[in-house]
Amino acid sequence: DTAVSQTPKYLVTQMGNDKSIKCEQNLGHDTMYWYKQDSKKFLKIMFSYNNKELIINETVPNRFSPKSPDKAHLNLHINSLELGDSAVYFCASSGGLAGGPSTDTQYFGPGTRLTVL
Amino acid sequence: SQKIEQNSEALNIQEGKTATLTCNYTNYSPAYLQWYRQDPGRGPVFLLLIRENEKEKRKERLKVTFDTTLKQSLFHITASQPADSATYLCALDSGNTGKLIFGQGTTLQVKP
Repeated sequence: DTAVSQTPKYLVTQMGNDKSIKCEQNLGHDTMYWYKQDSKKFLKIMFSYNNKELIINETVPNRFSPKSPDKAHLNLHINSLELGDSAVYFCASSGGLAGGPSTDTQYFGPGTRLTVL
Repeated sequence: SQKIEQNSEALNIQEGKTATLTCNYTNYSPAYLQWYRQDPGRGPVFLLLIRENEKEKRKERLKVTFDTTLKQSLFHITASQPADSATYLCALDSGNTGKLIFGQGTTLQVKP
C-alpha cells in the first residue's frame, strides 16, 4: 500500500548514458512533481504535471524529459548524463482526495540516488 | 533576490527539552508555509501547514507559528525525544503556482 513509489532506488551509470526513473502514485492525486536534492540537501523542483499536462518546467537542461502516460505515473528520462546530474531525485504528488489534510500538501516517494561516474 | 533560509547548523538538544527551529524568507508573499521531516535516505514527510491568516497551528507535540510581518516561521517540538532526530524542512508556496520552495533544512539531534 505504498503511496508514492519510485524505481530504481539506486542508479549508477557512466557519463553519456541515457537513463529513466519511474514514479507511480496510488493516492488518486492529480498533480505530480520531480525534485532534485543535491549534496547540500537543497530540494529544488524540476517539473510538475497536472492530469498529464506539464504545469511547471523550471530551468532544467533539455536533456531531462518528463513523461506522464496517465495521472498516476510520471517518469523522468535523462539523456547524455553528466557528472553534475549526480543527486537524489524525488517524485511527489499532491491534491485529489477529499478529506486529506490539504490539497497543497505534497507526498514524496523514497527517492532515487543517481550516481554518474 | 528571493530567499528562504533555515539555520544550516545542526541543533543539538537534550531529551525532554523544547526544540525551536527557524525559517526566514525574503521577497516572497506566501499564502501558506509547510514543514516537512526528512530522515536519512528517505523522502520528506509532511508535518504541518499554516496559512497566512493563521498565527499558530498545533499537532500533538508540534507547534508552528507564522509571522508575515517578520517573514518568519518558528517550528517547535515540545518534550523532544531521540526519535525526533531528523532534518526539518520548511517550504513556502511561491504565489498561486503550486510550486513549493524549500529551505535547506535544519538537522535536529535529540540526545538521551
